[in-house]
Amino acid sequence: DTGVSQDPRHKITKRGQNVTFRCDPISEHNRLYWYRQTLGQGPEFLTYFQNEAQLEKSRLLSDRFSAERPKGSFSTLEIQRTEQGDSAMYLCASPISSGASTDTQYFGPGTRLTVL
Amino acid sequence: QKEVEQNSGPLSVPEGAIASLNCTYSDRVSQSFFWYRQYSGKSPELIMSIYSNGDKEDGRFTAQLNKASQYVSLLIRDSQPSDSATYLCAFHKASARQLTFGSGTQLTVLP
Repeated sequence: DTGVSQDPRHKITKRGQNVTFRCDPISEHNRLYWYRQTLGQGPEFLTYFQNEAQLEKSRLLSDRFSAERPKGSFSTLEIQRTEQGDSAMYLCASPISSGASTDTQYFGPGTRLTVL
Repeated sequence: QKEVEQNSGPLSVPEGAIASLNCTYSDRVSQSFFWYRQYSGKSPELIMSIYSNGDKEDGRFTAQLNKASQYVSLLIRDSQPSDSATYLCAFHKASARQLTFGSGTQLTVLP
C-alpha cells in the first residue's frame, strides 16, 4: 500500500456521460500527478499539480478533460462527454522527493474506466 | 525514434534463472531512471531507482545504468513464478517532473 488512494476503482459508463475520479495523495507532499494507461502501453502523463496549481498539462488532455486540486489536498479528474477511446486505467501518483528536480513516484491503485 | 524502447516480450525464463530486462532511452540529459513492476489489472509498483552509472543492487534485483549508451537494465536473480509481471522502465526527461514510460516487457517465470 503506497498510501495513495483512488475512487472509484472501477467505473462503467455510457458514451456521452460525464465521469469524475478522485485521488487522495500521500499527505504532506505537495505534488500530484495524473497518468492514463491503455492496454499494452506504459502510463502516459496527463497533468500535474504543485499544491493547488496545475503546472503542466499534456496534449493528451483534451478540452473534455479537467483536473482540479482544491486546497492542495485531494484531486479530481473529470471527463466530459466520454468517448470509447477514453477507456483506460487512470492513475494518480504521489511523489517522494529524491532531489531538487526529480521525484520518485508512487502510484495509487488506479480507476479502471470502461466506456460502452 | 521512440523516447523509451523496451522489448515487449513475452520473455520466459525457468524458475531460478536470471531474467534480464532492457531499456534504451533517447534523452541524453536524463538523470533519474526507474523500474516498475505491474501485475495484470494492478497499478505499477516501484522496484528500483537508479541515478548513477553502474550497478545498484536490492535483494534479488540489480539495476544497471550506462548513460553513455543511454541504456538501463534490470536483472532478476533466482526468478520466481511470483515475478511474472510486466516490467516498465521510466525516466525523467531533461528537467521534467513527470515520468516517461516504456511500453513494458512481459515476463513469465515458468515453474
